[in-house]
Amino acid sequence: KAGVTQTPRYLIKTRGQQVTLSCSPISGHRSVSWYQQTPGQGLQFLFEYFSETQRNKGNFPGRFSGRQFSNSRSEMNVSTLELGDSALYLCASRSTGVEQYFGPGTRLTVT
Amino acid sequence: EDQVTQSPEALRLQEGESSSLNCSYTVSGLRGLFWYRQDPGKGPEFLFTLYSAGEEKEKERLKATLTKKESFLHITAPKPEDSATYLCAVQAGSNTGKLIFGQGTTLQVKP
Repeated sequence: KAGVTQTPRYLIKTRGQQVTLSCSPISGHRSVSWYQQTPGQGLQFLFEYFSETQRNKGNFPGRFSGRQFSNSRSEMNVSTLELGDSALYLCASRSTGVEQYFGPGTRLTVT
Repeated sequence: EDQVTQSPEALRLQEGESSSLNCSYTVSGLRGLFWYRQDPGKGPEFLFTLYSAGEEKEKERLKATLTKKESFLHITAPKPEDSATYLCAVQAGSNTGKLIFGQGTTLQVKP
């Protein structure tokens, strides 16, 4: 079974721009969660989607948004990028259980 | 407030030198405690889920245990390939994908 895939793997953007990251969950998994990982803050929960609906949201500004499609694929968008948004963005999927399986991440660098 | 604290931050071992990593947690309504392994530049790899105090799980040289306040990841006779960052996370409350992570323990095993 293929794992969680994320595209692109690396991205360089300029302050003020916006970015969209994509995540394809493990086949059959309907829940997708997004996390931000930085050296200072560690792994922090952004939001979770299930059946195209946002079910939970972390403490991030409204510039961070997401959506999920009918095939469970998910995208997250960050508008008006700031230097502090540089991070590894991780996507995780799960089925009906509690275990989450992570993708390789997208490394975003904001200059 | 739900919180996870891991210690030590870094650990250096000689090959074959057994040790333990600690994860202390404060959470209301623990639904599960998770251990992940993360290699540099990669997404976290799922290792174990523990649900209740007294539970233990093993995988090769790793053994995870859980009490009401903390979890331990015991590493027996480690090898250089066990070098990685080990992350502990908790899931609290009702059906949610939100995981609260500790800062991780970076393990280096020297041959």
